[in-house]
Amino acid sequence: GQQVMQIPQYQHVQEGEDFTTYCNSSTTLSNIQWYKQRPGGHPVFLIQLVKSGEVKKQKRLTFQFGEAKKNSSLHITATQTTDVGTYFCAGRGSGGGADGLTFGKGTHLIIQP
Amino acid sequence: DAGVIQSPRHEVTEMGQEVTLRCKPISGHDYLFWYRQTMMRGLELLIYFNNNVPIDDSGMPEDRFSAKMPNASFSTLKIQPSEPRDSAVYFCASSFGWLEAFFGQGTRLTVV
Repeated sequence: GQQVMQIPQYQHVQEGEDFTTYCNSSTTLSNIQWYKQRPGGHPVFLIQLVKSGEVKKQKRLTFQFGEAKKNSSLHITATQTTDVGTYFCAGRGSGGGADGLTFGKGTHLIIQP
Repeated sequence: DAGVIQSPRHEVTEMGQEVTLRCKPISGHDYLFWYRQTMMRGLELLIYFNNNVPIDDSGMPEDRFSAKMPNASFSTLKIQPSEPRDSAVYFCASSFGWLEAFFGQGTRLTVV
């Protein structure tokens, strides 16, 4: 079945430093979504990328979708304590029963003030 | 809309007992997903439905697990009999087509 790998598993940064998490799929994806989960909470949608090579920005967050639609990244510039949480990528396949939303294991972002 | 509603929020049960988790998706959504989250395994997709029909249940760990969606506004995930290794947070999520998935608050299951 479809697998989505995400690295790193944990990332410790000083407040103000940048942060990047990477996502790779074993198969070509129709689209990729990113979610954030605060400790004790539930995943909350951040963004969806659909087109090959697509780049989207949300304030300090930059999301990229690879040309082959098999990898993606999330970059946060100048982290703040409010960025703490686990960031997940989630991919959907190309239909035919493979369009379930499969999550990576997430990257836990820990910020030291 | 109140969002995806799951019940109960917490469940503590003894090994061997039957457990039923419930989910009410957002009205109008045609996809419903059940996930299990643990520290070791992360967010695992157990099963998903499209228009109330189960599409892929390959993530269901064993025959002890079963899920139903009798109508567009209700789904259940049942574990019978429950075991301590089933302890986890179970999330239900729904989406309209391939748009964003909305998650419920989750059910924290503890099997002792």
